[in-house]
Amino acid sequence: AQTVTQSQPEMSVQEAETVTLSCTYDTSESDYYLFWYKQPPSRQMILVIRQEAYKQQNATENRFSVNFQKAAKSFSLKISDSQLGDAAMYFCAYSGSQGNLIFGKGTKLSVKP
Amino acid sequence: GAVVSQHPSRVICKSGTSVKIECRSLDFQATTMFWYRQFPKQSLMLMATSNEGSKATYEQGVEKDKFLINHASLTLSTLTVTSAHPEDSSFYICSASGLAGDIAKNIQYFGAGTRLSVL
Repeated sequence: AQTVTQSQPEMSVQEAETVTLSCTYDTSESDYYLFWYKQPPSRQMILVIRQEAYKQQNATENRFSVNFQKAAKSFSLKISDSQLGDAAMYFCAYSGSQGNLIFGKGTKLSVKP
Repeated sequence: GAVVSQHPSRVICKSGTSVKIECRSLDFQATTMFWYRQFPKQSLMLMATSNEGSKATYEQGVEKDKFLINHASLTLSTLTVTSAHPEDSSFYICSASGLAGDIAKNIQYFGAGTRLSVL
């Protein structure tokens, strides 16, 4: 069975600084997708970024980028130039052949002004 | 595009009553919909996966008779919590997948969730 582990229950970053959220996963599948979702206080799940496992190039979406290390089964999220609106729960998620999402326990990110 | 509407956003009901939650894909056809449950300060736990026109597939430990899922059309799935009890109080979230290109990418689009409180 696939598992997703987020080892940082809480993180804090100063506004305009950079923060990295960690995520590791375990799978025996070779073809899969990885995601970072953001859940603000409204609890609406928002897709931040996604990565196809077969792509070596790390995905980037504006201030958000990932460091995907397939051999190490690591998928960290880097947020640059942090903004107050980035404060939220961040969930790392795996999706494989079944199509469903397996979520990590989440990291609560606080942004200090 | 890819908007998923979930209704109601909040419901309070008495113990023993049934509650129906609707999940609609507004601008795409959702061949697959997912239902999740989220306890306070915890992650999302998949309850079931439903494909249009077929029976839902429930995750281990989820009572099929308690949580009835119907996916009768490509734009609507419903979750009915039957004979609700206080322990069913939780946050329920649906998601949908179905855009042709996004099916291959395993992308799910989420509703805003429903907070159920059973008195």
